[in-house]
Amino acid sequence: SQQGEEDPQALSIQEGENATMNCSYKTSINNLQWYRQNSGRGLVHLILIRSNEREKHSGRLRVTLDTSKKSSSLLITASRAADTASYFCATVLQGAQKLVFGQGTRLTINP
Amino acid sequence: EAEVAQSPRYKITEKSQAVAFWCDPISGHATLYWYRQILGQGPELLVQFQDESVVDDSQLPKDRFSAERLKGVDSTLKIQPAELGDSAMYLCASSFSGGEPRFFGPGTRLTVL
Repeated sequence: SQQGEEDPQALSIQEGENATMNCSYKTSINNLQWYRQNSGRGLVHLILIRSNEREKHSGRLRVTLDTSKKSSSLLITASRAADTASYFCATVLQGAQKLVFGQGTRLTINP
Repeated sequence: EAEVAQSPRYKITEKSQAVAFWCDPISGHATLYWYRQILGQGPELLVQFQDESVVDDSQLPKDRFSAERLKGVDSTLKIQPAELGDSAMYLCASSFSGGEPRFFGPGTRLTVL
């Protein structure tokens, strides 16, 4: 079963614009991770945010976490064509080592 | 940069045949995972190993799927017999420990005809 739900399911923007994806989850977590998957390939880890953190940055990526709302967002600034991919949030449940993935957001960057 | 290796990359088989997938994790990673990803969905964990021991196989269809990691390094996932619904991407991943980021291999795309 999948714990996270991403919103939107698909997003299409122009190169240079910012892209925001949201993730909601149901139960208490240890940490939340975002992954990118290019078409037909394996997943690449982007960023991990722990349950006691509220915001984290990595290059053009900004992740926020609101544990009271059980939600997270991933912001990609100044998007590039190479950012075209599917993005998944995944949660490590409190007290467990299991990483549970959401359904993903398909991001398309138009040149 | 160290990577997770998987083979084959693509496999086409007929219903009722046996298939096997191989994974070699990043050196030093004690935890190894097999995930199944159906097109358009997120990966779902099939089995998790800590060294050579299975720590979670609750979602593994044990009537037809088996997984082993005999020496605590590389791993094999087998399906026998394959069914049409098994068509999916099979992803292997490894990590230092259970709660930490996974490093994924390129996957094996299985098509069952």
